[in-house]
Amino acid sequence: ILNVEQSPQSLHVQEGDSTNFTCSFPSSNFYALHWYRWETAKSPEALFVMTLNGDEKKKGRISATLNTKEGYSYLYIKGSQPEDSATYLCALVKTSYDKVIFGPGTSLSVIP
Amino acid sequence: DGGITQSPKYLFRKEGQNVTLSCEQNLNHDAMYWYRQDPGQGLRLIYYSQIVNDFQKGDIAEGYSVSREKKESFPLTVTSAQKNPTAFYLCASSIGRDITNEKLFFGSGTQLSVL
Repeated sequence: ILNVEQSPQSLHVQEGDSTNFTCSFPSSNFYALHWYRWETAKSPEALFVMTLNGDEKKKGRISATLNTKEGYSYLYIKGSQPEDSATYLCALVKTSYDKVIFGPGTSLSVIP
Repeated sequence: DGGITQSPKYLFRKEGQNVTLSCEQNLNHDAMYWYRQDPGQGLRLIYYSQIVNDFQKGDIAEGYSVSREKKESFPLTVTSAQKNPTAFYLCASSIGRDITNEKLFFGSGTQLSVL
């Protein structure tokens, strides 16, 4: 089973702080990387789909980078707000017609 | 509104009983997926289907069965062979078979518990 890892497991930050977390994957098994946000009592929602080494994506205060050669992606949140509190999941796609494998997630709590 | 509907929201299973979780989508998506979440763990893939009348096992298919007779429907049956069925089950879909640039859309989930 392909291993997608995320760190840290959980994170507590103050409102206004910027934060980042990591998704690691075997660099030899890469086709695409997804990031999802999963708020409590809601459905997971896609943030980014990334395919190219060096890709950078941005959505409001959230951005992500991708390094396929070393097998990692970073998710950054600038000026965290309480509504950013959620579990952030990354997911790996090995080939174009293949399954999506999720990491365990990073749980973020933003304290007002 | 287009989306994915999972039902029921909560389900209880007695020992030795088969139960079926419903997943319906009106997004006209080709591919559909079933994931299971246990406390403290990530989403694990049970089964997926990229086209009608075809499906593949995921990483934890034992004790589960699926069918894909219609594009919009992908029900999951938890059989009595699944010894630890208590978990949160999520259904998802994607537009096409090629997941490279496609994101997943998720339902709201079903919590299954054993009586």
